[in-house]
Order: sequence, then structure tokens, then C-alpha cells
Amino acid sequence: QVQLQESGPGLVKPSQTLSLTCTVSGGSISSDSYYWSWIRQPAGKGLEWIGRIYTSGSTNYNPSLKSRVTISVDTSKNQFSLKLSSVTAADTAVYYCARNFYFDYWGQGTLVTVSS
Amino acid sequence: EIVLTQSPGTLSLSPGERATLSCRASQSVSSSYLTWFQQNPGQAPRLLIYGASSRATGIPDRFSGSGSGTDFTLTISRLEPEDFAVYYCQQYGSSPWTFGQGTKVEIK
Repeated sequence: QVQLQESGPGLVKPSQTLSLTCTVSGGSISSDSYYWSWIRQPAGKGLEWIGRIYTSGSTNYNPSLKSRVTISVDTSKNQFSLKLSSVTAADTAVYYCARNFYFDYWGQGTLVTVSS
Repeated sequence: EIVLTQSPGTLSLSPGERATLSCRASQSVSSSYLTWFQQNPGQAPRLLIYGASSRATGIPDRFSGSGSGTDFTLTISRLEPEDFAVYYCQQYGSSPWTFGQGTKVEIK
């Protein structure tokens, strides 16, 4: 059974960089050919796809965030990561990691608050 | 970017009734690459349907998806108490992948 788990700081100051990691268990992030995505959801609102990385390392980002987003993969740790720079209060949300292009497995989500 | 519009915003129904949720795309979704998710408060979304009509593993057969092109439908044949939740459609046919704004199915 594949499981995903987000981790990282729950509080980030404005203008700083948000950094989150998704640890994958129950499967190999490098040997299985999947897309791995980050998705976020502000409180009481809908879902927004942030971007994805393929097992080869190729990435694709939502144009609305592209200038501030970097997604990378560490196959030795079976993890992939999100960095979002120059954050503002508008980036406060629950951040999820998910597998595949139809998001068949999700992490439980982690709340990140942007506040001074 | 493909914009997905879900209707209605809220659906008030009783257990045992049939629910029909709509998802309309601003342009054709290639190869019917459309999914449906269910989300309960405080939980991650759960995949119900992918490829417009294929049920995900473990999803009861009262959930069915249909449609192609720009018009898609999620049908819940007989609502169970655990089905009252928010439902999202999502397309992965073209980048950026996008979600609808959601339909809340509430108990009448």
C-alpha cells in the first residue's frame, strides 16, 4: 500500500521560502514511472494544482506560480520536495502531495501559515 | 488553461435519493482525462472516478461517471450517509491540470 506523508514548517514569514517534503512509502519513487504532484487548498476553498515532477526529474508548473516554484526529487530518500519563494498571506493553505496524473494516492496534508 | 465549472454549487438531497453532479469544461478535455474526487472535512480528497468513467479501486458501484468532450457527470445512484461531502472534478488532459470549484452534497 503506497503512502505519502508531507512534512515541513507550519509557519513561514512573509517574503521567505516555503519548503515541504513528501516521503513516499510502499513503493519506489524512482523505479515506478509516475508523476508526483503538489496541490494546495486554502481554508474553505477549492484545490489548486501547483506542479509535478516525473520520475525522470522533468517538471511542469502551474503558470500562476511558475516564477516562484521549484519541485525536486531525492530518489535516495524516496522523497520529493516543494519550494515556494516570496510567500505572502495568500499562500496560506493546506498543502498536499499526490501520485499520478489522476491523483490516486494523497498525503494527509499539512497546513502552512504565512504570517509574521 | 481549461476552466472547469461544476453545478450545482450545493445539492440538498435525502439518503436513498439519486445525485447528479455536472462538470463542464471551457474546452474539450482530451481523451476524457477527467477525474472525480470526494472530500470530507479535514481529510484529503479521495479518488472516485478517473478517465471519466473508470471507478477507482474500492469505490462502490453506486458511483458512476460519464461524459466526454466538455460535459461530464458524476452520478450517485442511492445516497448513503457517508456520501454527503464535497465533490471535485479535475482534468489532466492539458497543462496546467485544473480543478472545478466543487459541489457540496448536503443532507436535506
